[in-house]
Amino acid sequence: DTGVSQDPRHKITKRGQNVTFRCDPISEHNRLYWYRQTLGQGPEFLTYFQNEAQLEKSRLLSDRFSAERPKGSFSTLEIQRTEQGDSAMYLCASSPARYGEQYFGPGTRLTVT
Amino acid sequence: DQQVKQNSPSLSVQEGRISILNCDYTNSMFDYFLWYKKYPAEGPTFLISISSIKDKNEDGRFTVFLNKSAKHLSLHIVPSQPGDSAVYFCAASITGNQFYFGTGTSLTVIP
Repeated sequence: DTGVSQDPRHKITKRGQNVTFRCDPISEHNRLYWYRQTLGQGPEFLTYFQNEAQLEKSRLLSDRFSAERPKGSFSTLEIQRTEQGDSAMYLCASSPARYGEQYFGPGTRLTVT
Repeated sequence: DQQVKQNSPSLSVQEGRISILNCDYTNSMFDYFLWYKKYPAEGPTFLISISSIKDKNEDGRFTVFLNKSAKHLSLHIVPSQPGDSAVYFCAASITGNQFYFGTGTSLTVIP
């Protein structure tokens, strides 16, 4: 299977803990996007990478959030000092080009208790 | 600020008939539009896209229409099939970088 994969699929954590999610894009896709989706809403853009460079970040991405894409391959999204409002589905997508279609992974569902 | 809006949260259509899903946007700078389909417990799946230099794009049963003056986008599915039952999201982008999604329309195709 050469689709986008995300790990873990589900994460339950206590408020104040740090969590890290991983995304493996389709190989050779140079663009990688992170989104957050809450119930009844569409995906909300968080950030994107072109190769290893993080080119844009949404104002939704507070200082507690950080994303990396070392060597332009997989990416990680870390949330520090989680809050209940961080509970959501975190989606990763990759794309071969700037105006190309995005291929989404299955998402990581985060529950902060 | 919701720059992309899908005002119909749900739509029911008989099998074989046409499904029309609508999307409105507010930012005239958007130059690239996409439609995605989403099944439960899966990520969105790309359906069809259109550039702002076109007003129609067709792929099999799916056709997307773009009316720039009205800032309106629609997806037509003909004929509708039960397997089309899913949540449909429209998305828009400026220069293919940051993408803005609507809230989705849940389509039910009745056999």
